[in-house]
Amino acid sequence: GAGVSQSPSNKVTEKGKDVELRCDPISGHTALYWYRQSLGQGLEFLIYFQGNSAPDKSGLPSDRFSAERTGGSVSTLTIQRTQQEDSAVYLCASSVAGGLGGGELFFGEGSRLTVL
Amino acid sequence: DQQVKQNSPSLSVQEGRISILNCDYTNSMFDYFLWYKKYPAEGPTFLISISSIKDKNEDGRFTVFLNKSAKHLSLHIVPSQPGDSAVYFCAASAQVWGAQKLVFGQGTRLTINP
Repeated sequence: GAGVSQSPSNKVTEKGKDVELRCDPISGHTALYWYRQSLGQGLEFLIYFQGNSAPDKSGLPSDRFSAERTGGSVSTLTIQRTQQEDSAVYLCASSVAGGLGGGELFFGEGSRLTVL
Repeated sequence: DQQVKQNSPSLSVQEGRISILNCDYTNSMFDYFLWYKKYPAEGPTFLISISSIKDKNEDGRFTVFLNKSAKHLSLHIVPSQPGDSAVYFCAASAQVWGAQKLVFGQGTRLTINP
């Protein structure tokens, strides 16, 4: 597709259940990022992939959060045993290459997660 | 520890006037700064950026100013148009991190009144 695609767009789940959020980056973009935006907050960095490896996982809030990327393309963010504080919009972004100097991020529309 | 701060959660400006959005940062390692614009139910979209070797970057109606000594940057939109109504996020990063890990501010909701 032309842009970053995320699914599901909306997910309502019960506390304690596991959820998977999917991101399909722009074709050819080697760098992929996960951010989240909680209500009233800015965008919070979660994890960054360069190809299939994740050199920076520093933003993952707990060991309930994990992410993988396969084939240098699609990424899945998994949240185990969801808690109410996990409720947020999870945004995926991709860029041509990891690194700065004009390599701005292209964001998807986000996956809104609501944990009841 | 909020390294990038947008202290104004909202701003209202009359159409045709100048909109000025402000952003402060604390980490002196930041050397690349970006502004993103976000409409409801959409992902943020890149607007304009500036490297720390510059103090101004202009793109059409949008100009970003960087004051390194004050650790402050601002986005000027002139003239403001109704379509500019959106949430604006300031973001910063550092080359030495070796990756484009952007640190975002909380955002400022800009409303342009006709």
